[in-house]
Amino acid sequence: GESVGLHLPTLSVQEGDNSIINCAYSNSASDYFIWYKQESGKGPQFIIDIRSNMDKRQGQRVTVLLNKTVKHLSLQIAATQPGDSAVYFCADSYTGNQFYFGTGTSLTVIP
Amino acid sequence: GAGVSQSPSNKVTEKGKDVELRCDPISGHTALYWYRQSLGQGLEFLIYFQGNSAPDKSGLPSDRFSAERTGGSVSTLTIQRTQQEDSAVYLCASSFGFGRGGYEQFFGPGTRLTVL
Repeated sequence: GESVGLHLPTLSVQEGDNSIINCAYSNSASDYFIWYKQESGKGPQFIIDIRSNMDKRQGQRVTVLLNKTVKHLSLQIAATQPGDSAVYFCADSYTGNQFYFGTGTSLTVIP
Repeated sequence: GAGVSQSPSNKVTEKGKDVELRCDPISGHTALYWYRQSLGQGLEFLIYFQGNSAPDKSGLPSDRFSAERTGGSVSTLTIQRTQQEDSAVYLCASSFGFGRGGYEQFFGPGTRLTVL
């Protein structure tokens, strides 16, 4: 079965520092990956996605890196702000329909 | 524009009762997903609808769970004879389409179900 997992369940960073959240997936056929942010009491919110034909994609203060060789995905947040405190999920898809989510990493930004 | 809405936001029920959870997707979105999120856990896929195609029910945990999508829009997730282990947040998401390569899913705020 599909397995998407995160290396660290919690992460604390100082405001202004860069954050790196990691994710591993098990299915080499996965071809689409998404990072979501979930704040307390809310549904997940899309941050950034990447397709398997890319190894890097940048957004506003966020960068996703994909290493298909080791089936690893990471989310980098530059100049982390208190508003970035949330749980971050990675998800992958190889059917194009079903998405498999990891258990999440809780990011806490220390002012 | 309006996002995905879900109702009720909270539902408390007694063990053995049936519950219905509603999802209103974003207008024009052809794909609709239901997920379950237990406390401190990731999202567990339940069911997926795409247009008029037969739904993908492979994630439903038991035959007590069922879902419908009427007119390609509103969806209802029904849980019969609820059990305490059904307590979770039920999330609905919609997207423009499907297929390999994926499409961004927009999530609703969820319905928190508590079974006493």
